Amino acid sequence: ETGVTQSPTHLIKTRGQQVTLRCSSQSGHNTVSWYQQALGQGPQFIFQYYREEENGRGNFPPRFSGLQFPNYSSELNVNALELDDSALYLCASSLGSPFSYGYTFGSGTRLTVV
Amino acid sequence: AQKVTQAQTEISVVEKEDVTLDCVYETRDTTYYLFWYKQPPSGELVFLIRRNSFDEQNEISGRYSWNFQKSTSSFNFTITASQVVDSAVYFCALSLNTGGFKTIFGAGTRLFVKA
Repeated sequence: ETGVTQSPTHLIKTRGQQVTLRCSSQSGHNTVSWYQQALGQGPQFIFQYYREEENGRGNFPPRFSGLQFPNYSSELNVNALELDDSALYLCASSLGSPFSYGYTFGSGTRLTVV
Repeated sequence: AQKVTQAQTEISVVEKEDVTLDCVYETRDTTYYLFWYKQPPSGELVFLIRRNSFDEQNEISGRYSWNFQKSTSSFNFTITASQVVDSAVYFCALSLNTGGFKTIFGAGTRLFVKA
């Protein structure tokens, strides 16, 4: 097992730009979810993918979108960046249902929007 | 609406003391799962424990134990004989699958364990 790897670790973007964050899950982990964690707060659920289809979404606008690939990697795309999008973005994967196994989290990507 | 409340923002204890972290949740769903995660300074959340809504049996795992009470919608977590390495932010989370999967985290409790 290699854990969950996220790239890049840090990123600075300008308001209005678009960004793609990447996540590589453990082999066999067919469920992946993304979270936004603002400083000093708990993670906020963005969405979850199971076998390449979205099966859950939190209260985030459509400019937050994602993809999951057959090789257990995934992407989070954010369009039209706003200053409030500055946060730590966490990817988490699970072997099947996270109800049964919980999530394995990556260390996150720190996004700063200026 | 679903919600998770961790009323304790910060807790400071001396090593070897026992400490209980409180978690209160709100949901109208009958099927749900509750979790505790630990977030050390490295930022990576670490899964600690899981409990489903149909299993109120409380358990002990090493120095960790938890108390799940549906009657009060609480899912408290206790660390026995705390150690400096337990210093971290602890999050309680509620997961459901009604109208789509979702997970709601509490705001976290920062635990300081002093030597």
